Amino acid sequence: EVQLLESGGALEQPGGSLRLSCAVSGFTFSTFAMSWFRQAPGKGLEWVSSITASGDSTYDADSVKGRFTISRDNSKNTLYLQMNSLRAEDTATYYCAKALVASANWYFDYWGQGTLVTVSS
Amino acid sequence: EIVLTQSPATLSLSPGERATLSCRASQSVSTYLAWYQQKPGQAPRLLMYDASKRATGIPARFSGSGSGTDFTLTISSLEPEDFAVYYCQQRSNWPRLTFGGGTRMEIK
Repeated sequence: EVQLLESGGALEQPGGSLRLSCAVSGFTFSTFAMSWFRQAPGKGLEWVSSITASGDSTYDADSVKGRFTISRDNSKNTLYLQMNSLRAEDTATYYCAKALVASANWYFDYWGQGTLVTVSS
Repeated sequence: EIVLTQSPATLSLSPGERATLSCRASQSVSTYLAWYQQKPGQAPRLLMYDASKRATGIPARFSGSGSGTDFTLTISSLEPEDFAVYYCQQRSNWPRLTFGGGTRMEIK
């Protein structure tokens, strides 16, 4: 059974940092591209960042570019999102998601249950 | 950025009725469009991809159509578990993936 479990969400002050983790099981993590998405309270979905299976290429939304960094540790079956210089508008539930097709990081067939990040003073 | 506009914002129907949800793109996305279902407190669930391909385990009452800028998700006969929010997502402008604002389907 495929499982994705996010952790690391918390209440953080503006300008602060958080690192989100997504521990996966049930599939060969090292062969699939992965992504992070977010959903502000009561709002729609927003793509945040993506990473290739090997981790050699990453892509970020303009809204987080230069502040957030996606990475992965294939030996630990874990995806990360390092979030720096947090802003109030980063408040959201953050989801990790598995690509439907191993190398094609554009449709997502498994999602975690999400972790809530709240940025407020 | 490719903007996806979903309509209607809210759809009120009864179980057993047919549902038709629309997604319009600000420019052509070919057939590079997916649909997701999201229930309160849950993660999104992939329903359709490449406009008309059903994801694994999705019932046949769900179907998708369209190309270019206009897309439709149809649920032939609503079941109680189908009442949720539905989002479309394009991948034509990868990696800049975008989602529509969602259609909330509620029980009439």
